[in-house]
Amino acid sequence: GNSVTQMEGPVTLSEEAFLTINCTYTATGYPSLFWYVQYPGEGLQLLLKATKADDKGSNKGFEATYRKETTSFHLEKGSVQVSDSAVYFCALSSGAGSYQLTFGKGTKLSVIP
Amino acid sequence: EAGVAQSPRYKIIEKRQSVAFWCNPISGHATLYWYQQILGQGPKLLIQFQNNGVVDDSQLPKDRFSAERLKGVDSTLKIQPAKLEDSAVYLCASSFTGGRNTEAFFGQGTRLTVV
Repeated sequence: GNSVTQMEGPVTLSEEAFLTINCTYTATGYPSLFWYVQYPGEGLQLLLKATKADDKGSNKGFEATYRKETTSFHLEKGSVQVSDSAVYFCALSSGAGSYQLTFGKGTKLSVIP
Repeated sequence: EAGVAQSPRYKIIEKRQSVAFWCNPISGHATLYWYQQILGQGPKLLIQFQNNGVVDDSQLPKDRFSAERLKGVDSTLKIQPAKLEDSAVYLCASSFTGGRNTEAFFGQGTRLTVV
């Protein structure tokens, strides 16, 4: 079946530090990959996505590259801000006929000034 | 554009009681999902609707959980009777088509505490 494994948190970084959150997956078929973010008090929202191998998704300074050979989709940002403090979820969508998201456990990021 | 609306935001009930959650998806979205998010875990799909038909309910505990989307728009999720392990955030999401690459939009969720 489908599964997503992501880096355990919490992660605490100083402002302007480099961020990497690791994500690897197991899937049947050919999945699409997503990063969702949940800011404090808000619902989950899509941060970025990639739909085929070697695609790079990017948004708000965050990037992730779909690596089929290593079944990975690591999230990176060159310089984090306090406003990036949130919980980040890696997810995949795969199936035959019904496409639903399978999520990792989430990684809580705290950025301190 | 209005987002996915859920109510209530919070609910506390005793075990063996029943509870219902309501969701109104984004207008025009054919696909509606209910997810359960237990503290410290990622959301887990309970049921997926395409219009008013069920696409996948393989992970729904059918002895106590039920869901409906009668007119293909809003939806209700019910738990009867509730158990302590049902304490979680219940998320509703919707998407335009439900395809592999389609973005799902999430509501803020209902936080259920069973005591």
